[in-house]
Amino acid sequence: QVQLQESGPGLVKPSETLSLTCSVSGGSISGFHWTWIRQPPGKGLEWIGSMYNTGSTNYNPSLKGRVTISVDTSKSHFSLSLTSVTAADTAVYYCARGSVSSAYFYFWGQGTLVTVSS
Amino acid sequence: EIVLTQSPGTLSLSPGERATLSCRASQSFSSAYLAWYQQKPGQAPRLLIYAAGSRATGVPGRFSGSGSGTDFTLTISRVEPEDFAMYYCQQYGSSPPYTFGQGTKLEIK
Repeated sequence: QVQLQESGPGLVKPSETLSLTCSVSGGSISGFHWTWIRQPPGKGLEWIGSMYNTGSTNYNPSLKGRVTISVDTSKSHFSLSLTSVTAADTAVYYCARGSVSSAYFYFWGQGTLVTVSS
Repeated sequence: EIVLTQSPGTLSLSPGERATLSCRASQSFSSAYLAWYQQKPGQAPRLLIYAAGSRATGVPGRFSGSGSGTDFTLTISRVEPEDFAMYYCQQYGSSPPYTFGQGTKLEIK
């Protein structure tokens, strides 16, 4: 069974960079879409961005170029970097796996809360 | 960007009743790219339906999805106690950004 686990700091200072890693076990990291999604406390879901099995990426324009997603196949993990964070970036961050060809998400991490505060 | 609007915001039902949740899109897109998720407090979302009408592995048969164009529906034929949760629709068409609806809360009446 595929399992995803997010890890990273739970507290980030304003203007700094949020960095999270998603470790993948129970299946190959190659050949699938890998995605980050976030959910501010008490609110809905927001797609952050995806890396596809081709190696290409797409990001949410609302995040205005602050996002980078990368995959390290040798370590079976993928990462999120979000620069210049503000309090509005406080959220539970989820990693998720899409299918080979579509961006619906069957496998999710349990989520990690990141708070932006000084 | 395709905006998804879910209705109602809150649906109050008793166990055994039928639940009908709506997801309306700001522009038409292929039904091949519409998914539904269930989320319970403190948990990650769970995929229920993809391609508008295909049940994900392990999802009970009382959940069904339908629709096309701009109007999509998730139906729970007879609500069970474990079904009370938040539900989100998501479009994942060929042109990101992928977007989610704001959610419908299914609560016990």
